[in-house]
Amino acid sequence: NAGVMQNPRHLVRRRGQEARLRCSPMKGHSHVYWYRQLPEEGLKFMVYLQKENIIDESGMPKERFSAEFPKEGPSILRIQQVVRGDSAAYFCASSPPGGGDGETQYFGPGTRLLVL
Amino acid sequence: GENVEQHPSTLSVQEGDSAVIKCTYSDSASNYFPWYKQELGKGPQLIIDIRSNVGEKKDQRIAVTLNKTAKHFSLHITETQPEDSAVYFCAATGGILTGGGNKLTFGTGTQLKVEL
Repeated sequence: NAGVMQNPRHLVRRRGQEARLRCSPMKGHSHVYWYRQLPEEGLKFMVYLQKENIIDESGMPKERFSAEFPKEGPSILRIQQVVRGDSAAYFCASSPPGGGDGETQYFGPGTRLLVL
Repeated sequence: GENVEQHPSTLSVQEGDSAVIKCTYSDSASNYFPWYKQELGKGPQLIIDIRSNVGEKKDQRIAVTLNKTAKHFSLHITETQPEDSAVYFCAATGGILTGGGNKLTFGTGTQLKVEL
């Protein structure tokens, strides 16, 4: 029973390039969350998605960041025109369907983005 | 929105001793409180969680207590071992009914070091 999968595990981009981070939830899970962890800090919520729907994007920066979770395939977090401040670890979590009241979230190994 | 504070930021104990990490939260509607362990270069791993209708939960050497009136919860690790060394994060969420959705608000983490 595979856990949450994320790829790539490490990503290096130059300023101005685009970064695409992928997340495949655990089998049977239909809820996906993205969190960002800056060095020496805790995790900050970015966005919560269900299949083909963005449920809560209150933690997403207003510009350059977008997320999707299509009917088929992994969830994608996209960062356009990256800047050095985007360097961080980005974690995806998934939870099973049905609950709206604090479902357990299981995290992937993360993608470590470095912007040069 | 929710605010979670975590103490201490670092904790050093001798092998076999107990370790206690404490968190407070601000939103009285929060009803789900997980604890995660994060090892260097890895994603957060759920170790125990508690819901607001329960005051205490135990799983082998790990226990969590919740005081809803005071809005604080604690992680207790007994008989600590070197492999317990990691960063521990507490988190809270209120669920959809509270408007908080399922997003987790994390504490800032505790670096636990178990010394031989």
